[in-house]
Amino acid sequence: SQTIHQWPATLVQPVGSPLSLECTVEGTSNPNLYWYRQAAGRGLQLLFYSVGIGQISSEVPQNLSASRPQDRQFILSSKKLLLSDSGFYLCAGDSGGYNEQFFGPGTRLTVL
Amino acid sequence: GQNIDQPTEMTATEGAIVQINCTYQTSGFNGLFWYQQHAGEAPTFLSYNVLDGLEEKGRFSSFLSRSKGYSYLLLKELQMKDSASYLCAVRDVGSSASKIIFGSGTRLSIRP
Repeated sequence: SQTIHQWPATLVQPVGSPLSLECTVEGTSNPNLYWYRQAAGRGLQLLFYSVGIGQISSEVPQNLSASRPQDRQFILSSKKLLLSDSGFYLCAGDSGGYNEQFFGPGTRLTVL
Repeated sequence: GQNIDQPTEMTATEGAIVQINCTYQTSGFNGLFWYQQHAGEAPTFLSYNVLDGLEEKGRFSSFLSRSKGYSYLLLKELQMKDSASYLCAVRDVGSSASKIIFGSGTRLSIRP
């Protein structure tokens, strides 16, 4: 089965600083990969998804970007964080079709 | 457009039964998922429906009607540990790839 690794678990960053969150996948090849953000007490907002190396679809205009340099690596970045970027960031993967998504443990980002 | 609706909050009594409803409108459809999420944790997979009807898995059952764009999650013999958010999600098949879209979640509180 798939395992999604994410780090760090928590992160506190000042406004205007850069961000890089990394997600790696084990147990499958050529997965679909996703980045979600969840505000406190709210649902999951899809930020980016990728069906392969170098293929990124953005769901909402924002201060963030994503890259997929390798099949099992998905990176979420920002050049300058905003207060509104605070939230719980979840990386997820699946094999498409009838398969469920597997989630990483998440990164709680606080921008001060 | 894409829209997934579910109640924001529900309360039920330990030992009872509760039904959480979900309605969806998506441009494509390739299955509906239910996830459980405890506070501060990543979602965990509960069920998947792609054909109409009821899928039973222990104390949890999930129902789908594709013609009505409707699903429900049924939880029986409620336990205090079932207090969590329950997320309805749909795999939306687009022109280039499929992606999973989540509803805002239903926060379920169990009282003794």
